[in-house]
Amino acid sequence: NAGVTQTPKFRVLKTGQSMTLLCAQDMNHEYMYWYRQDPGMGLRLIHYSVGEGTTAKGEVPDGYNVSRLKKQNFLLGLESAAPSQTSVYFCASSTNPGSGELFFGEGSRLTVL
Amino acid sequence: SQQGEEDPQALSIQEGENATMNCSYKTSINNLQWYRQNSGRGLVHLILIRSNEREKHSGRLRVTLDTSKKSSSLLITASRAADTASYFCATARSGQAGTALIFGKGTTLSVSS
Repeated sequence: NAGVTQTPKFRVLKTGQSMTLLCAQDMNHEYMYWYRQDPGMGLRLIHYSVGEGTTAKGEVPDGYNVSRLKKQNFLLGLESAAPSQTSVYFCASSTNPGSGELFFGEGSRLTVL
Repeated sequence: SQQGEEDPQALSIQEGENATMNCSYKTSINNLQWYRQNSGRGLVHLILIRSNEREKHSGRLRVTLDTSKKSSSLLITASRAADTASYFCATARSGQAGTALIFGKGTTLSVSS
């Protein structure tokens, strides 16, 4: 049972390049989330999904897009990377965050030069 | 904006001492959760306390909730070096697009032997 798996774990981009982070969960969870973590800022919610085919904006959605074509996968895209998007990105999933816990991946460290 | 705010930002103690972290939040909640993050890893759920509970225990962890003051505290008793980590509180925010967990900025705990 892998839980929540994020790929890639590390990536270096140049300003203006695009990339996609993949999150996969094998727990049949409805809810999936993308957070970013920056020093001194804690975790900030980027986008989330409450089920296959649905997405919603979080606290800091600008510059990111997401898709949830399959229940087990949640993709986070950067169309034109900026240095301000240098961060550690965490994916999480849950059956119901209103009453249950989130399960986190190990993070994806992105550097934009 | 972030819902929960932890205090203090950093805490250094000796092994065997107790560690207390506080969390304040802004709006009414159904429950509050605490998570732990070891350096370079994803977050791990510690405990969930519901709005109708005032105190909850799990091993060496004791969580209290005061909904009138919109605050919670996490007490780790008899701290060990392995408790060195960052600790985050999180509350659920529900809207038309579903429910998301919003995290505070965290408390960094350092336990020295």
